[in-house]
Amino acid sequence: DAGITQSPRHKVTETGTPVTLRCHQTENHRYMYWYRQDPGHGLRLIHYSYGVKDTDKGEVSDGYSVSRSKTEDFLLTLESATSSQTSVYFCAISESNVRDYGYTFGSGTRLTVV
Amino acid sequence: SQQGEEDPQALSIQEGENATMNCSYKTSINNLQWYRQNSGRGLVHLILIRSNEREKHSGRLRVTLDTSKKSSSLLITASRAADTASYFCATDARTDKLIFGTGTRLQVFP
Repeated sequence: DAGITQSPRHKVTETGTPVTLRCHQTENHRYMYWYRQDPGHGLRLIHYSYGVKDTDKGEVSDGYSVSRSKTEDFLLTLESATSSQTSVYFCAISESNVRDYGYTFGSGTRLTVV
Repeated sequence: SQQGEEDPQALSIQEGENATMNCSYKTSINNLQWYRQNSGRGLVHLILIRSNEREKHSGRLRVTLDTSKKSSSLLITASRAADTASYFCATDARTDKLIFGTGTRLQVFP
């Protein structure tokens, strides 16, 4: 989607290895979010950021960490990947508080942990 | 836990028919949003309705919101094959983040 890029698009990794997913935006939006999508669960929030160096946990944050050192990049790290973290990961951005704006989503990263 | 639950889980219709999807949620909200997801793609924002609004239109989309019943419906009129996708409702639960439902899969046959 325009203004937001996720990398890589696909990744296969081994159990126990660290993995970092990148979300890059060119919209200068304040809010950035990481969700995972699994069959039967819809989208679940992992972590989100409301500014540089300001992050908070979502409902499924265990095993994940994030960093945001500049406005345009939001990194999601799986410290030690497990098979339960096999999923499709989506990054989203929002101009301001969701009271007034919807999200713009990236195209997703399909992660397989073997 | 999911804030929103869509109903039905799956819906199949013919082109030209109307499609109605429902969403129920659990807590108070500031707004409710609907998104579409085509297979293998990210979600696309369709429409936002605020808690003080009862109905909103955008093209062939009509959204209603009943805060007393904590429910919303999305109506797509005169469906097209290109409307085939999954549709999700999302609520803010009066926070600065959205909680998504599990989605309705819509199949529109030519």
